[in-house]
Amino acid sequence: ETGVTQTPRHLVMGMTNKKSLKCEQHLGHNAMYWYKQSAKKPLELMFVYNFKEQTENNSVPSRFSPECPNSSHLFLHLHTLQPEDSALYLCASSQITGAEAFFGQGTRLTVV
Amino acid sequence: AQSVTQPDIHITVSEGASLELRCNYSYGATPYLFWYVQSPGQGLQLLLKYFSGDTLVQGIKGFEAEFKRSQSSFNLRKPSVHWSDAAEYFCAVDTLTGNQFYFGTGTSLTVIP
Repeated sequence: ETGVTQTPRHLVMGMTNKKSLKCEQHLGHNAMYWYKQSAKKPLELMFVYNFKEQTENNSVPSRFSPECPNSSHLFLHLHTLQPEDSALYLCASSQITGAEAFFGQGTRLTVV
Repeated sequence: AQSVTQPDIHITVSEGASLELRCNYSYGATPYLFWYVQSPGQGLQLLLKYFSGDTLVQGIKGFEAEFKRSQSSFNLRKPSVHWSDAAEYFCAVDTLTGNQFYFGTGTSLTVIP
């Protein structure tokens, strides 16, 4: 248990569906992240939120839409995804720069 | 551009043998350095980290890593590997320029009896 909880753990969705991934951290951290992990690729940083403000968006397609209503919660809204979006989506949190990131267990997303 | 290189995609070792996983980074200054481990279907767990000071750092599960500035390396070691160490290992750096970690592509470790 890392203090970062992601739900659901597994998700199968069609290309026309709309779904959301949820992440919650109980560590009092100020920064939260979404990463995408695909087979045989480095972890891809998607979004960074610092004190609820988005500070990074690494050229992520608009079919991925993040939301950070407070410093403890982070969502990733998904719509009209493509099969190549199938991956493990990891949420992480940390204090401000210089501290290690704590990861959730991930959501295994399959787009059919 | 900043980068993290883990040259070994896959390593197989016998249980009880020693282990060294390589990591090199490309960055002008000394970043913060981390090693994470990921078991199948799980998130990443921090093994150890280097911020400053003693270049040999101790982590959990009997792992250690040594920072070598001259080689821009941060290799992970364990004197005697256990079957439960089989997992994916990721090296990461924090360049201190915003909340951003750069990860290597990972090294998959197989432990044979």
